[in-house]
Amino acid sequence: GAGVSQSPSNKVTEKGKDVELRCDPISGHTALYWYRQSLGQGLEFLIYFQGNSAPDKSGLPSDRFSAERTGGSVSTLTIQRTQQEDSAVYLCASSSLGLPEQFFGPGTRLTVL
Amino acid sequence: AQKITQTQPGMFVQEKEAVTLDCTYDTSDQSYGLFWYKQPSSGEMIFLIYQGSYDEQNATEGRYSLNFQKARKSANLVISASQLGDSAMYFCAMRDNQGGSEKLVFGKGMKLTVNP
Repeated sequence: GAGVSQSPSNKVTEKGKDVELRCDPISGHTALYWYRQSLGQGLEFLIYFQGNSAPDKSGLPSDRFSAERTGGSVSTLTIQRTQQEDSAVYLCASSSLGLPEQFFGPGTRLTVL
Repeated sequence: AQKITQTQPGMFVQEKEAVTLDCTYDTSDQSYGLFWYKQPSSGEMIFLIYQGSYDEQNATEGRYSLNFQKARKSANLVISASQLGDSAMYFCAMRDNQGGSEKLVFGKGMKLTVNP
């Protein structure tokens, strides 16, 4: 079956602009995660959605970052007023209830000029 | 808080040889899970193997096995019969259940190069 998909694969934006990154999880997976991978920080957790429960937003680095998940499926990560330090690869993952492994998408490479 | 340590920045191995990638962890939880992921140059994170803290046997998945030593808090990945396609970054991770989520905490990763 289809894996996790993310779009766009690459995004170049100017400092101060807003960006939206999209994630389509594996069909039937109830849990969805966003992570960020940057050279200096490694892989960092950003946000977690599980079904209809309140999301765990503890990893979001600032209030410029937000995410939503509509209908328990597709998720959008929004970064407002982008800064150069936001440049990174943003990875989305999903998992099935009761199973531990998370399956990752190919990521969106964000470059803020 | 959970912490994963991978101290080997890089390793080289000859094709068809076995290689062990080191991972140590720190947690105060009694129940936890450990993971290994592979990230080739294409960038995608590929799940390799999972070990639960209460699993009595070491996990195995094909050429991958996890050498789990609970008392030493280590979860080393063993790759048998290395192949050229095994060249990649490898990340050890632990599940963190604090806050109700099941987020993964990753180590810094290590780069494996398989030579022909």
